Formats: sequence, C-alpha cells, structure tokens
Amino acid sequence: QVQLQQSGPGLVRPSQTLSLTCAISGDTVSSTSTAWNWIRQSPSRGLEWLGRTFYRLNWSTDYAVSMRGRITISPDTSKNHFSLHLTSMTPEDTAVYYCVREKAYFDSWGQGTLVTVSS
Amino acid sequence: DIVMTQSPATLSVSPGERVTLSCRASQSVSSKLAWYQQKPGQAPRLLIYGVSTRASGFPARFTGSGSGTEFTLTISSLQSEDFAIYYCQQYINWPKTFGPGTKVEIK
Repeated sequence: QVQLQQSGPGLVRPSQTLSLTCAISGDTVSSTSTAWNWIRQSPSRGLEWLGRTFYRLNWSTDYAVSMRGRITISPDTSKNHFSLHLTSMTPEDTAVYYCVREKAYFDSWGQGTLVTVSS
Repeated sequence: DIVMTQSPATLSVSPGERVTLSCRASQSVSSKLAWYQQKPGQAPRLLIYGVSTRASGFPARFTGSGSGTEFTLTISSLQSEDFAIYYCQQYINWPKTFGPGTKVEIK
C-alpha cells in the first residue's frame, strides 16, 4: 500500500520560495504507470491542481497555466521522493498543499501541509 | 478547462436516509469521472472512479452512476461516518478539474 509523507515549512514570507517534499513508500517515483502531483486546497479556490512529474521513456513535467514561471516539480530517484518549489509566494498562495499519486484519477494523497504566507 | 459543478452545496440529512448528490460537467467526460470523500482535517480520499467503481475500503451503500455530463453519487443509508464533503472530478482532459463539493451534514 502506497504511503506519501510530506515535509516542509508551514510559514513562508511574502516573495520567498515554498519548498515541499513528498517521500514515497510502497511505490517508486520512476514508475512508468503513475504520475506524481501537487494539488492545493483553499476556501477561495477549492481543490486546485498545480502540476506533476512522471517517467516514461524520460522525465516529464506538466504545470497548471496559472503556475507557469513560478513552479518546479522534480523527482529524486535516489531518495524516492519528489519536490515542489513555488517562487514569489503571496498571501493568495496560502492553502493546504497535498502530494498525490495519479493513476488517471488521484488514488493516494499525502497528509497535507498547511502553508501560510505572512510576514 | 472543463468546469465541474455540484449540487446542492450543502445537504442536511438524518442517519439512515438515502442521499443523492449531483455532479455536472461543462462538456462530456465520457466515463472519466471520480468521486472523493473528505472529512475535517483529512486529505480527500478516492471513493469512486470510472463513474461507478468503488475504491478499496468503501462499502456497497455508495453507488455512482451517470455518463457524459451528468453524474450522481448515491448513499443508500447514511451512516455517521459518511458525514463529509464529497467532490467530483473529471480526468478526461488536462487540467483535471474538481467540483466545488457537496457537504453532507447532520440534520
């Protein structure tokens, strides 16, 4: 059974970069039948997909249009985890961030990290 | 992007009642429709995929149906552990979008 364990700060200053990591157990980040996503949830935006990374013949990423230019999602095969980096954080980025496994639908979720953007 | 809408926003019901939640897509999603259950302080949990296939751990009182743009989640006899928010989500097109959710609360 796959488990996703998130780590990272709960408070980020405006204009700084958010960095979160998702450790995978029970699966591998380089699996060719899954993708690894970040989704966030806030009262104003609901559940919002941010982006994903996945391996087929090589590594690929997809990002939400609204996030392009600010977001990087990257795998680490040696540690079997993947990370989210989101630059230029503003209070509007305050949300619960989830790492999520995708097999077409989203079948396994991390525990969530409440990220507050405040000075 | 495909827009998902859900109705009602909130449903007040008594334990043992039958509950029907609706989900509509702005264009056809074929059978690429999933439902998630979220309880307070927890991550969403996959409940149903492919319109009607229950995920592991969910009992038969949860039933999904529909096709194209109109979908329904039915809970045949609501139990205390079923009070939660339910989200539908399409996965035929990117980005994979969610509905705003229906909160099922105790009457």
